[in-house]
Amino acid sequence: KAGVTQTPRYLIKTRGQQVTLSCSPISGHRSVSWYQQTPGQGLQFLFEYFSETQRNKGNFPGRFSGRQFSNSRSEMNVSTLELGDSALYLCASSLAVGASTEAFFGQGTRLTVV
Amino acid sequence: GENVEQHPSTLSVQEGDSAVIKCTYSDSASNYFPWYKQELGKGPQLIIDIRSNVGEKKDQRIAVTLNKTAKHFSLHITETQPEDSAVYFCAASFAPDAGGTSYGKLTFGQGTILTVHP
Repeated sequence: KAGVTQTPRYLIKTRGQQVTLSCSPISGHRSVSWYQQTPGQGLQFLFEYFSETQRNKGNFPGRFSGRQFSNSRSEMNVSTLELGDSALYLCASSLAVGASTEAFFGQGTRLTVV
Repeated sequence: GENVEQHPSTLSVQEGDSAVIKCTYSDSASNYFPWYKQELGKGPQLIIDIRSNVGEKKDQRIAVTLNKTAKHFSLHITETQPEDSAVYFCAASFAPDAGGTSYGKLTFGQGTILTVHP
């Protein structure tokens, strides 16, 4: 069974640009969550999508957005990039039904803003 | 919102020793507590989890204990091996016991860098 796939693995962008990251969840999983990981702030929740609807959002500015498609694949977008957006962006997928709540992470996309 | 504190931030042990990492949480509604191991260049890997209706769970060399009253939970690794060296994260969330849909928001601790010396 394939795991969570995130593309691309690495990205270098310039301040002010925008970026789109992609996440393909484990087959059959309906929930996709996004996290930002930095040395200073650790792992912070960005948002969660379930059946194409955003169910929960963390404390990030509106420059961070996402969406989920009917096949459960998800994308997140960051507009007007800032140096502080440099981080590892992780996607986690979960069956998210009843007690089946285990979240499985992809390898992440390493974003560097210069 | 939920806040999770994790200690220690670094832990160094000799191969064969035990390692214990502790976390406390603030929201009494949290009822699901997973532990993740993250190796360099990889995403976090779920290694064990516990729900609030259970006090202890064991999987080979790894065990997790939960004290709901004190709002703390701990990871115990016995007979440590060099390949256990990694960063370990605890997390907390709310998940329904049955039916409905659970929510994907995990609140993580700051992580513990575990080093096992051969």
